[in-house]
Amino acid sequence: KAGVTQTPRYLIKTRGQQVTLSCSPISGHRSVSWYQQTPGQGLQFLFEYFSETQRNKGNFPGRFSGRQFSNSRSEMNVSTLELGDSALYLCASRGSTNEKLFFGSGTQLSVL
Amino acid sequence: AQSVTQLDSQVPVFEEAPVELRCNYSSSVSVYLFWYVQYPNQGLQLLLKYLSGSTLVKGINGFEAEFNKSQTSFHLRKPSVHISDTAEYFCAVSDKAAGNKLTFGGGTRVLVKP
Repeated sequence: KAGVTQTPRYLIKTRGQQVTLSCSPISGHRSVSWYQQTPGQGLQFLFEYFSETQRNKGNFPGRFSGRQFSNSRSEMNVSTLELGDSALYLCASRGSTNEKLFFGSGTQLSVL
Repeated sequence: AQSVTQLDSQVPVFEEAPVELRCNYSSSVSVYLFWYVQYPNQGLQLLLKYLSGSTLVKGINGFEAEFNKSQTSFHLRKPSVHISDTAEYFCAVSDKAAGNKLTFGGGTRVLVKP
């Protein structure tokens, strides 16, 4: 079974631009979560989706948004990028009856 | 609100020596506790979790952790480390057993020396 796949692996953007990151969960997993990892703030929860509905949201500004499609694939979007948005963005999926979270390798976003 | 404190940011240890990584948490509700490991350039991998029952939890790769409710701690231990255990370790809490909204500690970087 393929693991959680995140694309792209690396991304470089400039301030003010917007970016879309993609996450394909493990086949059969309907729950997808996103986390931001930075050296200063550590790992912080962004949001969680289940069956195309946002179930939970962390304390991030409205510039951060996400969605989930009917095939459980998820995207997150960051608009009007700031330097502080440079981070590793991790996606995790979980099966409906499995409590374990499976993480992808992340997308490393650099904002210049 | 919940918070997690990992008391050591870095722990150097010699190969085959024991290691303990400390984790304390605070929460106004019952929590579920997790330890994750992150190898360089990779995502997180679950080592072990405490949901209920026995306070001593055994995980993968020879790791174990003990839940201490009175001290609000969940320390991770391994009796004998290998070079391959060099990684960053994160303690996390959730207010739901199957919750995806984890609150993480700042991480402890373990460097195993030959």
